[in-house]
Amino acid sequence: DGGITQSPKYLFRKEGQNVTLSCEQNLNHDAMYWYRQDPGQGLRLIYYSQIVNDFQKGDIAEGYSVSREKKESFPLTVTSAQKNPTAFYLCASTMRGTSGPTLETQYFGPGTRLLVL
Amino acid sequence: QKEVEQNSGPLSVPEGAIASLNCTYSDRVSQSFFWYRQYSGKSPELIMSIYSNGDKEDGRFTAQLNKASQYVSLLIRDSQPSDSATYLCAVKITSGSRLTFGEGTQLTVNP
Repeated sequence: DGGITQSPKYLFRKEGQNVTLSCEQNLNHDAMYWYRQDPGQGLRLIYYSQIVNDFQKGDIAEGYSVSREKKESFPLTVTSAQKNPTAFYLCASTMRGTSGPTLETQYFGPGTRLLVL
Repeated sequence: QKEVEQNSGPLSVPEGAIASLNCTYSDRVSQSFFWYRQYSGKSPELIMSIYSNGDKEDGRFTAQLNKASQYVSLLIRDSQPSDSATYLCAVKITSGSRLTFGEGTQLTVNP
């Protein structure tokens, strides 16, 4: 089955600890995105990557880091500098921009819920 | 002004009624518009996409776009309790650019 997988489903972080959230897709999509969602809120963009080995900061990148070494993988690290990490984290992917608007629909993984101990 | 604004909600309608969800956007050159449905605790799933002025229908769902008024809406006909969810409006300015999401409107359909 083609799709986007995120792991783990739930993640617990101790104070001062860095944690990494996994996102993998087998849709052959070029662009990948990380969003944060707080209760009752919309989605806020953390980082995105349009191509392997390149990524850009979104609106709330402080305290987070990413890498894009492979087309199918875009892991997100929540560092100890992120003082309020409790949230629902969503990974998404889409075809590359030059594909035309009808092919640029963004699809989401199932999400990872991060909680602080 | 927020880039994408939606009905503040929550919105409650009786089963069988038409639910109307509204979204306005600030950037006049926006090209692509999307409606996502998000059930509680789940990730968003695409309901409709629309790129041209006018109406686009898919089953019980109709998206309406008016670029002159910078307005996009989603109508749900014959609302069902299973339609109870948060609906997110998303806007893409140009091909290849990022999506900007509204904060969502929570819809409850009462049996």
